Amino acid sequence: ETGVTQSPTHLIKTRGQQVTLRCSSQSGHNTVSWYQQALGQGPQFIFQYYREEENGRGNFPPRFSGLQFPNYSSELNVNALELDDSALYLCASSLGLAGVSLDTQYFGPGTRLTVL
Amino acid sequence: KQEVTQIPAALSVPEGENLVLNCSFTDSAIYNLQWFRQDPGKGLTSLLLIQSSQREQTSGRLNASLDKSSGRSTLYIAASQPGDSATYLCAVGDAGNMLTFGGGTRLMVKP
Repeated sequence: ETGVTQSPTHLIKTRGQQVTLRCSSQSGHNTVSWYQQALGQGPQFIFQYYREEENGRGNFPPRFSGLQFPNYSSELNVNALELDDSALYLCASSLGLAGVSLDTQYFGPGTRLTVL
Repeated sequence: KQEVTQIPAALSVPEGENLVLNCSFTDSAIYNLQWFRQDPGKGLTSLLLIQSSQREQTSGRLNASLDKSSGRSTLYIAASQPGDSATYLCAVGDAGNMLTFGGGTRLMVKP
């Protein structure tokens, strides 16, 4: 167990809808990152938040947005869902230390999103 | 743009064999390299983290090496067991510890 939880476990939506996925990080972890993992592929970095501010973003359109809260929880929001958004969405938390080369990321179990 | 490749994509071995998984990356300006394990439909479990200044890390039957200049890492698993069956992912971290992953190696260890 990594101490990182995600909800819901599974979700089915239709094209054009909006979805919110939630993550609860380990207490004291100031950094949360979100990844998208399509079936049979490695995870792709969506964005990262540090102390409630976005501080890095991968190659994803603006309809992917996020929030991080002071209580170590965070959200990933996706608007105007497309079929290709079907994937496992993973969040990962870390301490956010200076000297980040030592900063292990702890992953949650993921949310499986299916878009019909 | 960083690209990470893992070879082979799939591997099936009999129990007890020693095996090597390979990972290569195109940009040597990395801060760390991490190996993860993923069981079907599950999240990722961190196995080993190698800082860019290190050459290798060991944990139990696992040993990971890093050659930053050539853009290569290997994960060595000694005396493989059926419980080692999973997908193994390598990822390189940049200055902000944002990870770029390879496609993974699916390992099956047969009893």
